[in-house]
Amino acid sequence: GAVVSQHPSRVICKSGTSVKIECRSLDFQATTMFWYRQFPKQSLMLMATSNEGSKATYEQGVEKDKFLINHASLTLSTLTVTSAHPEDSSFYICSAEDRDSSSYEQYFGPGTRLTVT
Amino acid sequence: KNEVEQSPQNLTAQEGEFITINCSYSVGISALHWLQQHPGGGIVSLFMLSSGKKKHGRLIATINIQEKHSSLHITASHPRDSAVYICAVRVARQLTFGSGTQLTVLP
Repeated sequence: GAVVSQHPSRVICKSGTSVKIECRSLDFQATTMFWYRQFPKQSLMLMATSNEGSKATYEQGVEKDKFLINHASLTLSTLTVTSAHPEDSSFYICSAEDRDSSSYEQYFGPGTRLTVT
Repeated sequence: KNEVEQSPQNLTAQEGEFITINCSYSVGISALHWLQQHPGGGIVSLFMLSSGKKKHGRLIATINIQEKHSSLHITASHPRDSAVYICAVRVARQLTFGSGTQLTVLP
């Protein structure tokens, strides 16, 4: 089956630093990837839609200058949390849409737990 | 009102019991997903439905498009089924998630 990986799985960083999270589709190509954030005991919230070769589309309330998204290839999207603050501590999950699937099937990554101290 | 409502929020069952989790939504959708999230956080996609019924092992998912309702059933539940089950509806190509159902199956 289709596999999506995320790296790192866990990261602890100091306030003010930047953190990059990678999302890769391992056995399919994804022109579109989605970035979600999940706070404890809450459901997933879409942050942005990442499109290969073009700018990401951000959801209302998500700062594009703080959460930089780059989708430079058909198998890789990156999310960089810039000048991280403790309130950015969360579980970040990506999903990738199989571009060869007629049903636009999405496959989820295992997630990255970010802790900002 | 949330676009996606799940019930119950929490469910505790004894091993072997038949389990049903419900999902209602209020918008027109192109598909509905059932997802499983284990304590470590990783998400597994269980089903994607646009009509009818699907079965995979002990899991069955049904959807009624006219009533805007879907159910996830687990037969012969097992402690390893303990997880959060999330319903997500797809509108265009974006997913909107329910708040999840925490299932605990006791041995």
